Amino acid sequence: LAKTTQPISMDSYEGQEVNITCSHNNIATNDYITWYQQFPSQGPRFIIQGYKTKVTNEVASLFIPADRKSSTLSLPRVSLSDTAVYYCLVFTGFQKLVFGTGTRLLVSP
Amino acid sequence: DAGVTQSPTHLIKTRGQQVTLRCSPKSGHDTVSWYQQALGQGPQFIFQYYEEEERQRGNFPDRFSGHQFPNYSSELNVNALLLGDSALYLCASSLGGRAGELFFGEGSRLTVL
Repeated sequence: LAKTTQPISMDSYEGQEVNITCSHNNIATNDYITWYQQFPSQGPRFIIQGYKTKVTNEVASLFIPADRKSSTLSLPRVSLSDTAVYYCLVFTGFQKLVFGTGTRLLVSP
Repeated sequence: DAGVTQSPTHLIKTRGQQVTLRCSPKSGHDTVSWYQQALGQGPQFIFQYYEEEERQRGNFPDRFSGHQFPNYSSELNVNALLLGDSALYLCASSLGGRAGELFFGEGSRLTVL
């Protein structure tokens, strides 16, 4: 399983764009990249998933360079309610998802 | 469309006791995974059930066991509870044994005294 590395914490202000970068140097050809968000005392919530280039949905964008050794989750115009822990995971098909400690994002007024 | 439901939401046990946690997957999902999350840590994979069989297992002792029923619901059993088993236990469902987009429940908070 590819190991991921992401910042332990990040701070931002309301209305700013937040970019969280995840490193996964030993990603395999068949691996996908997925991001989850978790609020205290709740289960993680799926945000976005991609394989290469750029993926966008209603809440975030995921940028994956050609070498796929890293990925960046972009949250446009964050609000206080985006304060949470964000997990970057790499997986293949039927493999179990391995969570690290994630990135704690704090959004201030 | 019902999401993943877990019960009980909170429970307190003493060392040496046994506990059973229950999970109903999201409608249409047939795969259930269980995770343990200690305070300040990311969720740790316990095992996955698909077609009523344990398909994958994380690094947890045999005290942790599970079951999946024909209606895809699942139970997690923990025997001989230790203080270190205190955690949030999360159930996640998906389709066809795949890992990608998991839907998590709100969890069962277990406290072992």
